[in-house]
Amino acid sequence: DGGITQSPKYLFRKEGQNVTLSCEQNLNHDAMYWYRQDPGQGLRLIYYSQIVNDFQKGDIAEGYSVSREKKESFPLTVTSAQKNPTAFYLCASSGDSQANYGYTFGSGTRLTVV
Amino acid sequence: AQKITQTQPGMFVQEKEAVTLDCTYDTSDQSYGLFWYKQPSSGEMIFLIYQGSYDEQNATEGRYSLNFQKARKSANLVISASQLGDSAMYFCAMRENRYRIIQGAQKLVFGQGTRLTINP
Repeated sequence: DGGITQSPKYLFRKEGQNVTLSCEQNLNHDAMYWYRQDPGQGLRLIYYSQIVNDFQKGDIAEGYSVSREKKESFPLTVTSAQKNPTAFYLCASSGDSQANYGYTFGSGTRLTVV
Repeated sequence: AQKITQTQPGMFVQEKEAVTLDCTYDTSDQSYGLFWYKQPSSGEMIFLIYQGSYDEQNATEGRYSLNFQKARKSANLVISASQLGDSAMYFCAMRENRYRIIQGAQKLVFGQGTRLTINP
């Protein structure tokens, strides 16, 4: 079955560490996205990529970095510059065939700073 | 400026009753799309229903319908005959089509969500 796989499901980070969240899709979608979800604030866009080797900052990109070397993969690195990284992170993708469905989402990674 | 507003942080409804979740939006575009997603406690986002700005009829998907009032810029989700499994967070989202630089890419803006609890 096609879908999006996010790993790990839970991640703990120490202060000052960089961590990378994995997102892989086998839907042959060109576009991929990273959102952050905090309680009471909905989803906020961190980065998005419309094609391989290209990506754009979203609304809250500071303290995050991404790469898009392969169509299937869009990893997100949470750097030590992100002062409040504890949140639920959702990866999504979209393709031309599903314009009326919006995104396909992964199951999320919950990041906690310890 | 907030583009999607969901004014109900939480709602409690008796099982089998109908429920309306409110969503208002703000855009100057003529072409846009509106979506509703459900997020159970497990965290995944489940697509429920879509309404295009040029669609003349309100969208329906099973027990879900979208009450689209373009002049009021509202896109309320109606769930008929609610079930215990409907308890979840519900998010309204909008796509402004001018951001679709290439086919397949779409930038969604989400509201803050409404937590719906169905009581037996």
